[in-house]
Amino acid sequence: QSVLTQPPSASGTPGQGVTISCSGSSSNIGVNYAFWYQQLPGAAPRLLVNTRNERPSGVPDRFSGSKSGTSASLAISGLRPEDEADYYCAVWDDILRGVQFGGGTKLTVL
Amino acid sequence: QVQLVQSGGEMKKPGASVKVSCRASGYTFTNHGISWVRQAPGQGLEWVGWISTNIGNTNYGQKFQGRVTMTTDTSTTTAYMELRDLRSDDTAVYYCARVALAVAETDYWGQGTLVTVSS
Repeated sequence: QSVLTQPPSASGTPGQGVTISCSGSSSNIGVNYAFWYQQLPGAAPRLLVNTRNERPSGVPDRFSGSKSGTSASLAISGLRPEDEADYYCAVWDDILRGVQFGGGTKLTVL
Repeated sequence: QVQLVQSGGEMKKPGASVKVSCRASGYTFTNHGISWVRQAPGQGLEWVGWISTNIGNTNYGQKFQGRVTMTTDTSTTTAYMELRDLRSDDTAVYYCARVALAVAETDYWGQGTLVTVSS
C-alpha cells in the first residue's frame, strides 16, 4: 500500500490537456521535492519533471510539475498519442526514510 | 553518453539468493549514487534502496532490510544488488538508476533485469 495516492487512470484526446494528481503527506510531498516519471510499455521509467517544474534536457515543455501543500500535480498539454503511458510520482519520505512511489496512473490518449 | 548496463535475467528457487550487477559508463561513477527499483509483473514501481558510490553508505527500503545488500566496485564502475531468501513475490524486473541530486530523482536507468523465483 503506497503512501502516495494517484488516480489509477486518466484519459484525454489529442490536443487536449490532462492533469494527474499525487496526494501525499507532511512527511513527504509537504517537505520534499517530488518527481514524475513516464513509463512507456516495455520500457524503463524516464524522469520527466519535478515539483519546481524543472525538466531534464529533452523533455518537452508540454510536461509541467507543481505542488500545493501535500499534493503534487503533473500537467500535460497538447496530448499526443505517444504520451500514452504509465505515470508515477516519487518522493523521499522523512518518516519512512525511503523513496515512495505512487501507485501509478495509466494515461490513455483516445 | 551515460549508460547503465545490467546483467541478464535470472531464474531462482525460493530461499535462494540473486545478485544483479549494473555497470555504469559515460560519467564519473563516484559523483552519483545508484538506486534500485523493482517492478513486479503488471504492478507499479517499488523502491528497494540506494547506495552512495563515493563513501558506500546505503539506505534500504523497510520491506527489504535484512534481506538486501548493495555494494559497488569503483574499479569497474559497477554496482551490485544482492537479495537473499527469495520468495515468489520477489519475481520482478529489477532496475538500477543513477541518482541525480535527490535520492528520488533518477535521471538514467538500466534496461532492467528479470528475476523469476519459482520452484
